[in-house]
Amino acid sequence: EAQVTQNPRYLITVTGKKLTVTCSQNMNHEYMSWYRQDPGLGLRQIYYSMNVEATDKGDVPEGYKVSRKEKRNFPLILESPSPNQTSLYFCASSPVDRGYTEAFFGQGTRLTVV
Amino acid sequence: ELKVEQNPLFLSMQEGKNYTIYCNYSTTSDRLYWYRQDPGKSLESLFVLLSNGAVKQEGRLMASLDTKARLSTLHITAAVHDLSATYFCAVGGSEKLVFGKGTKLTVNP
Repeated sequence: EAQVTQNPRYLITVTGKKLTVTCSQNMNHEYMSWYRQDPGLGLRQIYYSMNVEATDKGDVPEGYKVSRKEKRNFPLILESPSPNQTSLYFCASSPVDRGYTEAFFGQGTRLTVV
Repeated sequence: ELKVEQNPLFLSMQEGKNYTIYCNYSTTSDRLYWYRQDPGKSLESLFVLLSNGAVKQEGRLMASLDTKARLSTLHITAAVHDLSATYFCAVGGSEKLVFGKGTKLTVNP
């Protein structure tokens, strides 16, 4: 089954403790992206990647890192999480070879930083 | 900078009625998407609109795109309770995707 898988689905952590949220897709998509969703703000793009070893900042990259060493994986790293990073996070992937980029979303990771 | 505005943000309607959600965007863009999100769930792709005048329909939902006016509409026909969800439009090219804030639709019996 074609899917985007995020782990964990739920995470409660303390301020300053490094964490990684994993994202994996099995559709051989070139493009992957991370979003955060906050009430009243919709989804905002954090980072995106056009292919392996090609990443770029979205609209809200501060406090986050990403890497793209393999095509299927795009982990989101919070080196020193803070309470304002409490949010619902979505990973998405899409193909770029069909002339459009309809994004397929993972199930989301609800992160709470206390 | 690309900005996307949806309205209304909240919509409560009765079953059987028609209504339209609007999505305005600020700069020329390649494509426009509509997504649906149920509470606590991920986003589900509804429509991809690629060119001026594009119209797509699926069941009681119809989406259209006017690139000259930088406007897309999502029209709901004869609403049913199952359509209750939050609907997002998103605009972008091959790299960045900018979402509207979403329209929370509640369909009442």
